Amino acid sequence: QVTLRESGPALVKPTQTLTLTCTFSGFSLSTTGMCVSWIRQPPGKALEWLALIDWDDDKYYSTSLKTRLTISTDTSKNQVVLTMTNMDPVDTATYYCARTRWLQPGYYFEYWGQGTLVTVSS
Amino acid sequence: QTVVTQEPSFSVSPGGTVTLTCGLSSGSVSTSYYPSWYQLTPGQAPRTLISNTNTRSSGVPDRFSGSILGNKAALTIAGAQADDESHYYCVLYMGSGIVVFGGGTKLTVL
Repeated sequence: QVTLRESGPALVKPTQTLTLTCTFSGFSLSTTGMCVSWIRQPPGKALEWLALIDWDDDKYYSTSLKTRLTISTDTSKNQVVLTMTNMDPVDTATYYCARTRWLQPGYYFEYWGQGTLVTVSS
Repeated sequence: QTVVTQEPSFSVSPGGTVTLTCGLSSGSVSTSYYPSWYQLTPGQAPRTLISNTNTRSSGVPDRFSGSILGNKAALTIAGAQADDESHYYCVLYMGSGIVVFGGGTKLTVL
């Protein structure tokens, strides 16, 4: 059974760095074709893809946010970490992680976590 | 910057059929964009419906289908039910590891 769970602070201050952790089970990120992505949804707005890390440790980022994002993995802990620097109130959103399947070359989000709400406010 | 377009809202009668579309602000959508579709209902984790244009995810009823219609990707829901009332998002693969979500369609069943 595949499960993913997001964790991190519910509240961060403007200019701070956000660190979110996705803890997963039921699959190995070392398996060819397996990836984990981060996606967010601001209140009342559309979903937005943020970043992806694949089985070969290749990393891909949203064009508009790539200067602020870092995705990494701790395979021994079955975790994927996303950091986002210089947080702003517009970054208030529910952040999801999702197991992602590579279709070579495309991919899709196969399983999702429940999401974690992050509010940016002083 | 390429924008992925979806109808902001759509309405369907119970038992009816509705087709939601996913296009590009510039150009046509083809299978090379690996379109996928997701259902997002408040309070629930997103649900994956369709991948790679027309592959239904496990557990998704066959009244949900994906296709390319003209120059857009399409999600067709046949025999609409009350619990299909939700937001639907498409995703297109833009190359170089980048995907873009559409703006989402709010589907009302009434």
